[in-house]
Amino acid sequence: GNSVTQMEGPVTLSEEAFLTINCTYTATGYPSLFWYVQYPGEGLQLLLKATKADDKGSNKGFEATYRKETTSFHLEKGSVQVSDSAVYFCALTGSGGSYIPTFGRGTSLIVHP
Amino acid sequence: EAGVTQFPSHSVIEKGQTVTLRCDPISGHDNLYWYRRVMGKEIKFLLHFVKESKQDESGMPNNRFLAERTGGTYSTLKVQPAELEDSGVYFCASSQDLADGGEKLFFGSGTQLSVL
Repeated sequence: GNSVTQMEGPVTLSEEAFLTINCTYTATGYPSLFWYVQYPGEGLQLLLKATKADDKGSNKGFEATYRKETTSFHLEKGSVQVSDSAVYFCALTGSGGSYIPTFGRGTSLIVHP
Repeated sequence: EAGVTQFPSHSVIEKGQTVTLRCDPISGHDNLYWYRRVMGKEIKFLLHFVKESKQDESGMPNNRFLAERTGGTYSTLKVQPAELEDSGVYFCASSQDLADGGEKLFFGSGTQLSVL
């Protein structure tokens, strides 16, 4: 079946540090890949997506590249801010004809001033 | 436009009691999903409604969980009787079209359920 594996958190960084949150997946066919973010007290919201191999999704300074050869979709940001503190979820859809997302366990990011 | 709303935001109950969670999707969204996140683990799919019909309930853990969506509007998820392992955050999400998948899926802020 489909699965998504994320690095365990929390990830604690100082403001302006470089961020990487690792995500790897197991799926049949060619899934679409997503990163969702959940800010404190809010629901999950889509951060970025990539629908085919070598696509790069980007939004709000975050980037992730769909790497089929390594089945990965790592999230990066060059300079984090305190306001980026949140929980980040990697997800996939479309594998085996299913449109229902499969999520990872989430990675908490804490950014200190 | 109102987003997906869930009620209550927090619920603390004792083992053996009953709890009912409610989700109001975005108006006009036929697809409604329930998910659960046990602390520190994956967000797990529970079930999917299309209007008032259960399209997929393969993720429902056992028969102590009952989901309904009367009239195809809001949905309730009842846990009866609650057990300790039911603790977690229950998320509701909605989308207009099934094929929206992860791209146009709107989530509520979740209900934190604690069973003591």
